Amino acid sequence: DTAVSQTPKYLVTQMGNDKSIKCEQNLGHDTMYWYKQDSKKFLKIMFSYNNKELIINETVPNRFSPKSPDKAHLNLHINSLELGDSAVYFCASSHPGNAYEQYFGPGTRLTVT
Amino acid sequence: AQKVTQAQTEISVVEKEDVTLDCVYETRDTTYYLFWYKQPPSGELVFLIRRNSFDEQNEISGRYSWNFQKSTSSFNFTITASQVVDSAVYFCALSSHTGGFKTIFGAGTRLFVKA
Repeated sequence: DTAVSQTPKYLVTQMGNDKSIKCEQNLGHDTMYWYKQDSKKFLKIMFSYNNKELIINETVPNRFSPKSPDKAHLNLHINSLELGDSAVYFCASSHPGNAYEQYFGPGTRLTVT
Repeated sequence: AQKVTQAQTEISVVEKEDVTLDCVYETRDTTYYLFWYKQPPSGELVFLIRRNSFDEQNEISGRYSWNFQKSTSSFNFTITASQVVDSAVYFCALSSHTGGFKTIFGAGTRLFVKA
């Protein structure tokens, strides 16, 4: 009965490859997010979807493309991976609006070699 | 511009000590929301508390307490009688109308509680 789940938990790949991370939430939330946490633990939002519609698109290279097939799922596809993409990627969900707390998935540790 | 500052990068205490984690925020909005999250060594991010800007009442939950002061734009977090299990990185966060759905996180404070 995991609230927000992500797969895979670990991802090791070589530069230039394309990879995807999947996220699912069973909380009934309308809003989902992708965050990147770097090695210094700094958390930065990348994207947010509300009911399948993109509402936040931060300054992220266009090699990163989110996709939300329905409001319970938000996937992240990364093309042409670079060394600097190595980080922990967190998915989160919340009720719509900025008044509500976010519930995070366990994170996906991406290592690009 | 919105900003969250957690000036304490790392704090180290001995078990049973009280510890306060500082959070100072900046926003031009009159309605905003403040949050604290905990990230233990296992890596997950756990929501701890939300506070609305129009509610300055302090909150206590067990050994945790939060002091919200609009006059100083601060939302500090105190752990009383700290325990080793409190060792984690703690993040303060802010969201408001200006930011849309965007939540701004502070840089985090790493708390070490030694036995």
